[in-house]
Amino acid sequence: AQKITQTQPGMFVQEKEAVTLDCTYDTSDQSYGLFWYKQPSSGEMIFLIYQGSYDEQNATEGRYSLNFQKARKSANLVISASQLGDSAMYFCAMREGQGGFKTIFGAGTRLFVKA
Amino acid sequence: DTAVSQTPKYLVTQMGNDKSIKCEQNLGHDTMYWYKQDSKKFLKIMFSYNNKELIINETVPNRFSPKSPDKAHLNLHINSLELGDSAVYFCASSPSGQGLSYNSPLHFGNGTRLTVT
Repeated sequence: AQKITQTQPGMFVQEKEAVTLDCTYDTSDQSYGLFWYKQPSSGEMIFLIYQGSYDEQNATEGRYSLNFQKARKSANLVISASQLGDSAMYFCAMREGQGGFKTIFGAGTRLFVKA
Repeated sequence: DTAVSQTPKYLVTQMGNDKSIKCEQNLGHDTMYWYKQDSKKFLKIMFSYNNKELIINETVPNRFSPKSPDKAHLNLHINSLELGDSAVYFCASSPSGQGLSYNSPLHFGNGTRLTVT
């Protein structure tokens, strides 16, 4: 069965430093997409970054980058120059299956940015 | 110009009651979803609809009945509410995956916090 694992329930990082949030996934599909979402305390779900299973280069979006290691089935999120507003829950997710009608989520990592 | 809107935002009700949550998207997507986020923040897919057809039903009790009158709307009706139904319910939409492309993220509504007392 497909699965997403986020092993860090909580992380602390100093403002302006970089932080890596871990994500490993398990799938037997060749075609899939990996996503990271942010959920601030206000509750909305915000899409951050995407990596396709066939993409050879790591995705980047502003201060976010995705460290994709396909052989290890890992898709870690790197946030550079952390800001206080980055304090939130972060979810790793995978979209797979015929038609991509199912996206499953990891348990999330709560990130705390310290001033 | 809200992309995915769901109502109500809060729902407080007693055990045994029936309630509905409505969702609408104006993004032109052909796929809509319901997710349940429990008190530990775990997000679990409940249903997935594509062009009004049920595609995914993740062993949800049949007290939960989704309805999609058209591809822009997906409503969720819950019968005989139980304490364990208390959660935040998120509606989401996306284009369906095309060929080998799965690059479309989910667009979420702001969630409905359901509290069953």
